[in-house]
Amino acid sequence: DVKVTQSSRYLVKRTGEKVFLECVQDMDHENMFWYRQDPGLGLRLIYFSYDVKMKEKGDIPEGYSVSREKKERFSLILESASTNQTSMYLCASSFGGAVDEQFFGPGTRLTVL
Amino acid sequence: ELKVEQNPLFLSMQEGKNYTIYCNYSTTSDRLYWYRQDPGKSLESLFVLLSNGAVKQEGRLMASLDTKARLSTLHITAAVHDLSATYFCAAIQGAQKLVFGQGTRLTINP
Repeated sequence: DVKVTQSSRYLVKRTGEKVFLECVQDMDHENMFWYRQDPGLGLRLIYFSYDVKMKEKGDIPEGYSVSREKKERFSLILESASTNQTSMYLCASSFGGAVDEQFFGPGTRLTVL
Repeated sequence: ELKVEQNPLFLSMQEGKNYTIYCNYSTTSDRLYWYRQDPGKSLESLFVLLSNGAVKQEGRLMASLDTKARLSTLHITAAVHDLSATYFCAAIQGAQKLVFGQGTRLTINP
């Protein structure tokens, strides 16, 4: 079974803090993704990575950065957290190829006060 | 730019009834995915549809894809309470990027 884990289920931070969200997958997947989920908006892609040290912007990259130093780990960084970044953050990974099914982690609910 | 729209967004139905969730997408897409999300949980993959006319079934759920109409449907047969969840469809854009619909919150009442 593919396992995608995220470092925290719940996180509370203050405005202006630097926030790190970590994601680890154990299936040697090439691709990793960060999404945020907000009510009524579905999931929106923040960044994705198709290889170590490679990254691509998604639909809403502003205010975020990412790091992928090892294949199994993909980090999302909020350089200076703001209240409008309060959301559910979901990490996913996929092997690529014709089917390219994405497998999701449990999510981190981030609250910025 | 690919846009994905689901309807209805909210659906309340009785056990034993049939219903269909619709997923329209705006531009050509090679693959269509359906996911389920239970409250407070992450997304669970249900179906991957790869070609026009593709139909997949698992238990009381059946998904189909019409690429010419840019439409996928998720049909629920004889609904049971355990199927209460939020269902998302997503279409692929380019090689790896998924674009999600808003989600359909399904509530099945005894």
